[in-house]
Amino acid sequence: AQTVTQSQPEMSVQEAETVTLSCTYDTSENNYYLFWYKQPPSRQMILVIRQEAYKQQNATENRFSVNFQKAAKSFSLKISDSQLGDTAMYFCAFMKPLTNNDMRFGAGTRLTVKP
Amino acid sequence: DTEVTQTPKHLVMGMTNKKSLKCEQHMGHRAMYWYKQKAKKPPELMFVYSYEKLSINESVPSRFSPECPNSSLLNLHLHALQPEDSALYLCASSQDIPSGNYEQYFGPGTRLTVT
Repeated sequence: AQTVTQSQPEMSVQEAETVTLSCTYDTSENNYYLFWYKQPPSRQMILVIRQEAYKQQNATENRFSVNFQKAAKSFSLKISDSQLGDTAMYFCAFMKPLTNNDMRFGAGTRLTVKP
Repeated sequence: DTEVTQTPKHLVMGMTNKKSLKCEQHMGHRAMYWYKQKAKKPPELMFVYSYEKLSINESVPSRFSPECPNSSLLNLHLHALQPEDSALYLCASSQDIPSGNYEQYFGPGTRLTVT
């Protein structure tokens, strides 16, 4: 079974600074997908960024980028120029393809951006 | 339109009541999901429908009964719930599973309280 570990229950960062959220996972699969989802307080969950395991290039989406280390089974999220609207719960998630899209989430990291 | 809608937003029900949660998407997605999320916890997968057929049931008690009347709609029928079933119930959808596009779009959720 796949497990996803987020070792930082809570983090904080000053506005405009950079923060990195960590995620590790355990799998014996070679092909899989990794995601970071953001869930702001009392608002719905949205996808921040995705990474296909077969791609060596790290995914980026504007201020969000990942550091994907396949051998180390690590998938960290870097948020640059943090904004107040980045305050949210961040979930790392793992999905093995062709398994009815069974997606497994980590426990989450609560990020607070301070003015 | 990248929206998944859920009704109602809030629901309070007694343990002998019967109620239903509704989810709707108009993105042409053929996979739909129900998740349960307790406070400060990650979502837990309950059911997956693919092409209107139930493909995953994560050992959910029979007091939860899913239904997929058509490709746009997903219902969750509730009967004889327990107070520990109080949670945020999230619906999500994604393109058909074999397509290789695994991004899931989440609705805002229904916050259920069982008294």
